[in-house]
Amino acid sequence: DGGITQSPKYLFRKEGQNVTLSCEQNLNHDAMYWYRQDPGQGLRLIYYSQIVNDFQKGDIAEGYSVSREKKESFPLTVTSAQKNPTAFYLCATGDRGIYGYTFGSGTRLTVV
Amino acid sequence: KNEVEQSPQNLTAQEGEFITINCSYSVGISALHWLQQHPGGGIVSLFMLSSGKKKHGRLIATINIQEKHSSLHITASHPRDSAVYICAANTGNQFYFGTGTSLTVIP
Repeated sequence: DGGITQSPKYLFRKEGQNVTLSCEQNLNHDAMYWYRQDPGQGLRLIYYSQIVNDFQKGDIAEGYSVSREKKESFPLTVTSAQKNPTAFYLCATGDRGIYGYTFGSGTRLTVV
Repeated sequence: KNEVEQSPQNLTAQEGEFITINCSYSVGISALHWLQQHPGGGIVSLFMLSSGKKKHGRLIATINIQEKHSSLHITASHPRDSAVYICAANTGNQFYFGTGTSLTVIP
């Protein structure tokens, strides 16, 4: 089945540690996105990539980093510079026109 | 002010009731999306609208481009419809998301 795989579903890390969230897709979509969701707030864009080896900052990129070495993969690293990393993280993909927009199942990150 | 506003924030209904969730947006759009998020967190795309009305099973989505308003209707609601419903405005360059409407359908 075509889709997006986000792993792990739940992740716990100690404060000050970097952590990488995985997002893999087999939809052959060019564009991939990372969103953060906090209680009572809409999804906010962290980073997006329209093509391999290229990515752009979203509205809340500070404290995060990404790479896009393969079309299928868009991992997100939450660095120790992110002041409030505990949140729900969603990966999404889209075709060139954004119309084919698919969401992953998310990763809930808790930093203790 | 948010670019996308949804109402109500929370909604509780009895099984079988007709449900309406409203979405107003202030940006120019190429499409308006309705999304469903279940308690586990994963999001499913329900509709993408650029005009008129779409129907899928018991779900109906409408949009009025002039008034910048969209509605999601659920007919004959069922407990399995309980979820958060999110409206998202697609400007062609990016999405703006509403904060969601939490729906609980009681048997």
